Amino acid sequence: DAKTTQPNSMESNEEEPVHLPCNHSTISGTDYIHWYRQLPSQGPEYVIHGLTSNVNNRMASLAIAEDRKSSTLILHRATLRDAAVYYCILRDRSNQGGKLIFGQGTELSVKP
Amino acid sequence: NAGVTQTPKFQVLKTGQSMTLQCAQDMNHNSMYWYRQDPGMGLRLIYYSASEGTTDKGEVPNGYNVSRLNKREFSLRLESAAPSQTSVYFCASRRLGGRVRDSYTQPQHFGDGTRLSIL
Repeated sequence: DAKTTQPNSMESNEEEPVHLPCNHSTISGTDYIHWYRQLPSQGPEYVIHGLTSNVNNRMASLAIAEDRKSSTLILHRATLRDAAVYYCILRDRSNQGGKLIFGQGTELSVKP
Repeated sequence: NAGVTQTPKFQVLKTGQSMTLQCAQDMNHNSMYWYRQDPGMGLRLIYYSASEGTTDKGEVPNGYNVSRLNKREFSLRLESAAPSQTSVYFCASRRLGGRVRDSYTQPQHFGDGTRLSIL
């Protein structure tokens, strides 16, 4: 699986939008972009995934650059509960076992 | 519907002791995984079982063994615990969908972890 690069940490204010960036310049055409987050003292939880088009679900939106070399996870209104480590992960067709390769992620803190 | 259940939640061992971490899922998922997470780091895959009856090594398998007991349960065994195995261990499971692309789109569901200290 190709590598991703994320900032180590970001800060946000409560009820404001948050844009979490991820660079994946070596992404291949068949790589899906997945986002997971890990709340303190919990296991990771799935947030969203996409291939080429922007995606929305009840948790977040995923904006994918036209050249797919970067993507942004958007939390529309941050809450204190959104404070977590966010992981951007690529998965491709060769990954038949469904394994996830975690990087360091971005630690998001939310100020009241 | 409990999802992925890990037992125990906490354990302290002495060097050289053996221990089995248990994981069970009630979502009828096909694939199961064991990860470890050291302080300040992302998760690293130890072993996985793509389907019942199969197991494969991940990134850091040394010092561990696994058993896929049935579709629901996947256990991780430390035969002779070492201080370097002090970590938080997470189990996860994943459904295998009916389409080829599901192999790289279906999300994993994680348990809350087992915090293991080896003295």
